[in-house]
Amino acid sequence: DTEVTQTPKHLVMGMTNKKSLKCEQHMGHRAMYWYKQKAKKPPELMFVYSYEKLSINESVPSRFSPECPNSSLLNLHLHALQPEDSALYLCASSLSTTDLSYGYTFGSGTRLTVV
Amino acid sequence: AQSVSQHNHHVILSEAASLELGCNYSYGGTVNLFWYVQYPGQHLQLLLKYFSGDPLVKGIKGFEAEFIKSKFSFNLRKPSVQWSDTAEYFCAVFNDYKLSFGAGTTVTVRA
Repeated sequence: DTEVTQTPKHLVMGMTNKKSLKCEQHMGHRAMYWYKQKAKKPPELMFVYSYEKLSINESVPSRFSPECPNSSLLNLHLHALQPEDSALYLCASSLSTTDLSYGYTFGSGTRLTVV
Repeated sequence: AQSVSQHNHHVILSEAASLELGCNYSYGGTVNLFWYVQYPGQHLQLLLKYFSGDPLVKGIKGFEAEFIKSKFSFNLRKPSVQWSDTAEYFCAVFNDYKLSFGAGTTVTVRA
């Protein structure tokens, strides 16, 4: 299995809702990442997990809450989002945060719309 | 922190034309550089990477890139493009344990 799987593919949520994005990989990668990508813009890093521990938080607002339950799973919990948070949320993984032999493997993303 | 810049925002060319996309990095130390492609509606895919060694790097789908240290550049090339090469292309640099992307170049190939 050489994929990063993200669910759901599309999500529409209200500003008072709580929802979660899920990311899964079975490549034995020990580093996982959340990126945010607005239309026609490059992906921007949000969080880095290394060996299931949060190692980098790029000053992301607390309405985004990451969680890494085990080495294969990465969640992003969403609460009280704003319309400007609408974007494509990408998950990625790599062998580790220092072994970039194969680069990052990206999922197809969750297209989030906040109404 | 290192960063990369891509100066071509949108490139339009015909099939069989040659493609070259510019990428410059900001720092003169050790660099780990990447090119990713994002086809419409699809996930980011790694085209090629440079860590050290031979400055001419060959990747997938007929792409190659040349690392020129004196010019701080890592330009992507393809001798003859196809309609299926229409996509967004991102240069990226690995620094401080994270991958950071350039602004991207939209490539449109006309049949």
